[in-house]
Amino acid sequence: GAGVSQSPSNKVTEKGKDVELRCDPISGHTALYWYRQSLGQGLEFLIYFQGNSAPDKSGLPSDRFSAERTGGSVSTLTIQRTQQEDSAVYLCASSLEGTLLELFFGSGTQLSVL
Amino acid sequence: LAKTTQPISMDSYEGQEVNITCSHNNIATNDYITWYQQFPSQGPRFIIQGYKTKVTNEVASLFIPADRKSSTLSLPRVSLSDTAVYYCLVGDRSNTGKLIFGQGTTLQVKP
Repeated sequence: GAGVSQSPSNKVTEKGKDVELRCDPISGHTALYWYRQSLGQGLEFLIYFQGNSAPDKSGLPSDRFSAERTGGSVSTLTIQRTQQEDSAVYLCASSLEGTLLELFFGSGTQLSVL
Repeated sequence: LAKTTQPISMDSYEGQEVNITCSHNNIATNDYITWYQQFPSQGPRFIIQGYKTKVTNEVASLFIPADRKSSTLSLPRVSLSDTAVYYCLVGDRSNTGKLIFGQGTTLQVKP
């Protein structure tokens, strides 16, 4: 069993461009989380999925951010019209239902907006 | 969701025992306490979880007093490789949703 996989590992983009970040959770994990971590900072909650639904989107910083999950598995986080302040590491985590505090994290996508 | 407070940083030396305390004054009856470890350029890694009293595994021990308003992560005989950021997370295992991590404690182990 592979762990949580995120791609790309690094993404450099120009201000104003759209980017898509992908997360492949551990097979069978029903819960999926996206976090953002700026340099030297803690983890900022973005969004949580239970299955394909996202009951809590309150952490998304602006309407430029959106996320979806299909088939209860892969999730994509999309950032439209990227800004320099979007530069950060975007981390994805998954967990089994019933053990929702035991999150398994991917290695993240380092996003740099020039 | 219970808010957590931890020291921003701690220093230690190799071979010492390190205790990191987390305050969570408004912990709810169904909440569990979980600790994570994060190395640079990696995602956090689950270390230990508990509800009350003491939990021990191969990595650490977790001490939780009767009132559960705080918890202490204990790392025995630390080595340089234990240098990392440690996060305390409190929440209901069955209905978590928005899981908020605190700022974490940066542990620096010196030779």
